[in-house]
Amino acid sequence: GAVVSQHPSWVICKSGTSVKIECRSLDFQATTMFWYRQFPKQSLMLMATSNEGSKATYEQGVEKDKFLINHASLTLSTLTVTSAHPEDSSFYICSAREQALYNEQFFGPGTRLTVL
Amino acid sequence: SQQGEEDPQALSIQEGENATMNCSYKTSINNLQWYRQNSGRGLVHLILIRSNEREKHSGRLRVTLDTSKKSSSLLITASRAADTASYFCATVPYSSASKIIFGSGTRLSIRP
Repeated sequence: GAVVSQHPSWVICKSGTSVKIECRSLDFQATTMFWYRQFPKQSLMLMATSNEGSKATYEQGVEKDKFLINHASLTLSTLTVTSAHPEDSSFYICSAREQALYNEQFFGPGTRLTVL
Repeated sequence: SQQGEEDPQALSIQEGENATMNCSYKTSINNLQWYRQNSGRGLVHLILIRSNEREKHSGRLRVTLDTSKKSSSLLITASRAADTASYFCATVPYSSASKIIFGSGTRLSIRP
């Protein structure tokens, strides 16, 4: 089946630093990738949708200058949390969709971000 | 709100019993999906049911969909300790088929 990886799986950083999270589709070309965040014991909230080669579409309430998304290739999307603060600590999950399998999204294992 | 609602929020049952989780949503949908998430891990896709389907089976899983009530249920029969996880329903809105909107989730615990 389709595999999506995320790197790193966890990261701890100091307040004010920037953190980059990578999402890769390993065995298929992902025309669209999605980024979600999940607080403890809560559901996944969609942050943004990125299509390869174009700007990401952010959900209402998500700061695009805070959460920079780049989808430069059909197998890689990155999420950069800029000037991270403790309230940005969360579980970030990406998913990827292949154009031919429009209804299916394949989820990465998630990245745990802790900002001190 | 992005989310649909699931109930119960938490469910604890004895191993071998059946577990039923319900999901309600707000908008017309293209399809509805159920996912499982073990603590601190990624999501595992369980089953997809289209808006023109009423029931679907996959192994010990049975999903129903009632579009008139905007609700779905997931039944896990003969539960096992390994079924302990959070379960989320997720809808693909008819108006925006590129998105998946997740429900609030049910935390299922199976007692050995």
